[in-house]
Amino acid sequence: AQKVTQAQTEISVVEKEDVTLDCVYETRDTTYYLFWYKQPPSGELVFLIRRNSFDEQNEISGRYSWNFQKSTSSFNFTITASQVVDSAVYFCALSEAEGTDSWGKLQFGAGTQVVVTP
Amino acid sequence: SQTIHQWPATLVQPVGSPLSLECTVEGTSNPNLYWYRQAAGRGLQLLFYSVGIGQISSEVPQNLSASRPQDRQFILSSKKLLLSDSGFYLCACNSGNSGANVLTFGAGSRLTVL
Repeated sequence: AQKVTQAQTEISVVEKEDVTLDCVYETRDTTYYLFWYKQPPSGELVFLIRRNSFDEQNEISGRYSWNFQKSTSSFNFTITASQVVDSAVYFCALSEAEGTDSWGKLQFGAGTQVVVTP
Repeated sequence: SQTIHQWPATLVQPVGSPLSLECTVEGTSNPNLYWYRQAAGRGLQLLFYSVGIGQISSEVPQNLSASRPQDRQFILSSKKLLLSDSGFYLCACNSGNSGANVLTFGAGSRLTVL
């Protein structure tokens, strides 16, 4: 069975500090996808990034970066120089490889609340 | 791009009353549609998904049901609400094409059962 663990319930930082969110996953599948979503106070989930299990290249996009390590089943997310607008709940999620029944069937972690204060 | 409309945004209902949450999608045809529930302090749990009109798959046993009467309409219902049905309900879609398992979410419907 698939499982996603986000051990950090809440992280509070002062603006401009870096924030790293941990995500550990379990799956028996050899091919799978990992995601990060952001949920601001408005409630709507916003897609941030998707990675497939064959692509371990880490990525930087602006102030966001991701560290995918298949050997440790981790997919961590870092916000550099945090801003107040980064305050939100961040979810890590896992899905099986594409297939008619698998698309969109995501296993979510419990989420990490990030609070950035001025 | 896809847009999802959900209503009502907020709902307070007594135990035992019926429920109907509606979701409509714009900007795509023949989408896969999903209902997720977010309980307080928890992640999202998939309740139902649909790959076409009249096709509903249930992921967890529960007090709720779903229907898809039109291609871009997805409805979540209950005949008699329970306290445990309280939560934040999110409708989502993807296009069903290869490489498109990224979900677009609606703004959600917050249900409180008293």
